[in-house]
Amino acid sequence: NAGVTQTPKFRILKIGQSMTLQCAQDMNHNYMYWYRQDPGMGLKLIYYSVGAGITDKGEVPNGYNVSRSTTEDFPLRLELAAPSQTSVYFCASSPKQGHTEAFFGQGTRLTVV
Amino acid sequence: QKEVEQNSGPLSVPEGAIASLNCTYSDRVSQSFFWYRQYSGKSPELIMSIYSNGDKEDGRFTAQLNKASQYVSLLIRDSQPSDSATYLCAVNNQAGTALIFGKGTTLSVSS
Repeated sequence: NAGVTQTPKFRILKIGQSMTLQCAQDMNHNYMYWYRQDPGMGLKLIYYSVGAGITDKGEVPNGYNVSRSTTEDFPLRLELAAPSQTSVYFCASSPKQGHTEAFFGQGTRLTVV
Repeated sequence: QKEVEQNSGPLSVPEGAIASLNCTYSDRVSQSFFWYRQYSGKSPELIMSIYSNGDKEDGRFTAQLNKASQYVSLLIRDSQPSDSATYLCAVNNQAGTALIFGKGTTLSVSS
């Protein structure tokens, strides 16, 4: 019963480095999301995908890229990390559009120094 | 950008009391409304969903929706210290493709 799995759980990056946050779900959900959560703030949508090969920008996409080559995987790429990208990143999935909850991974705590 | 507004709190209630959490949203076409609970350092977990005007009860939790007033609330009866957490209100976006979250209300239940 894995659900949504994110790796790594913690990471420290230096300014200008790049990395990929991995997200995989085993529930055969079409919809997948990346959110970031800053201290005392709600979740802000970075990118989402409605199915393999289809991605779209959310509220705060700058500095990030995504791909969705399979139903299961939805990696988030950070290019040229900046201190403003220090945050907790959550990947989530849901089975369909509209009346449906999102299931969250455990999160990745990223610090850019 | 459509918005979801919540009072950040903290909301402090004694054990056994009723905790009332409120949320307003700006997009009149929103159809799906969710309450998530998030413990410190953990990921959000769904506790209630509501789609129609009125009340929906699940154990100690009651969600209330008023689409005319663009208002959704969560009542927690017989509050327990284990209910101490941040409660996030979420509303689906216009296309129904993603959830928009409020900043959350921190609830503290004292024993």
